[in-house]
Amino acid sequence: QKEVEQDPGPLSVPEGAIVSLNCTYSNSAFQYFMWYRQYSRKGPELLMYTYSSGNKEDGRFTAQVDKSSKYISLFIRDSQPSDSATYLCAMNTGFQKLVFGTGTRLLVSP
Amino acid sequence: GAVVSQHPSWVICKSGTSVKIECRSLDFQATTMFWYRQFPKQSLMLMATSNEGSKATYEQGVEKDKFLINHASLTLSTLTVTSAHPEDSSFYICSARVGQIPYEQYFGPGTRLTVT
Repeated sequence: QKEVEQDPGPLSVPEGAIVSLNCTYSNSAFQYFMWYRQYSRKGPELLMYTYSSGNKEDGRFTAQVDKSSKYISLFIRDSQPSDSATYLCAMNTGFQKLVFGTGTRLLVSP
Repeated sequence: GAVVSQHPSWVICKSGTSVKIECRSLDFQATTMFWYRQFPKQSLMLMATSNEGSKATYEQGVEKDKFLINHASLTLSTLTVTSAHPEDSSFYICSARVGQIPYEQYFGPGTRLTVT
């Protein structure tokens, strides 16, 4: 079993839809949770980070962490074609290496 | 701020030759730099972690004699793929971290290596 599981997609939605991206994990010691966006043939770009459980909002993006279920989510409101990319979740204990999910490919159609 | 550059962005080399990839933090000093490898439609695989002035720590299964990492300064790390073979063709991405804060890890744009 992988430490971090993420559905590779692709996830296709129409413009304006609310997008929900998710990851599950097995290591209860993870404390830091990040979401990265990666466009094709580019490096990942940090979107959001959360420490421990709870919600965090930044513009159209909301990150949620449920440590009791070992489940994290990224919501994108009013999705735009420019949001089409691969979204990677990543997490660690704070001192160890980042552990990445496989990434979910999102396609937002006009 | 927090910009990481890589050079070259794309390189083609012949089998048996060596190729060097540079990773620079442009506007900050990176205490730690990381090298990742990414195959198409797969996630990032950490190859090694390097701290300035120290030997790199390689992940299990990564050949340290094949993938030479030098972290010469707080703003520069290099990855040299020695005696490259077609199976080394991949997308190589570096990242740089400020201090020990886990989420302050910034990624470069990547280098696509094609070995013919």
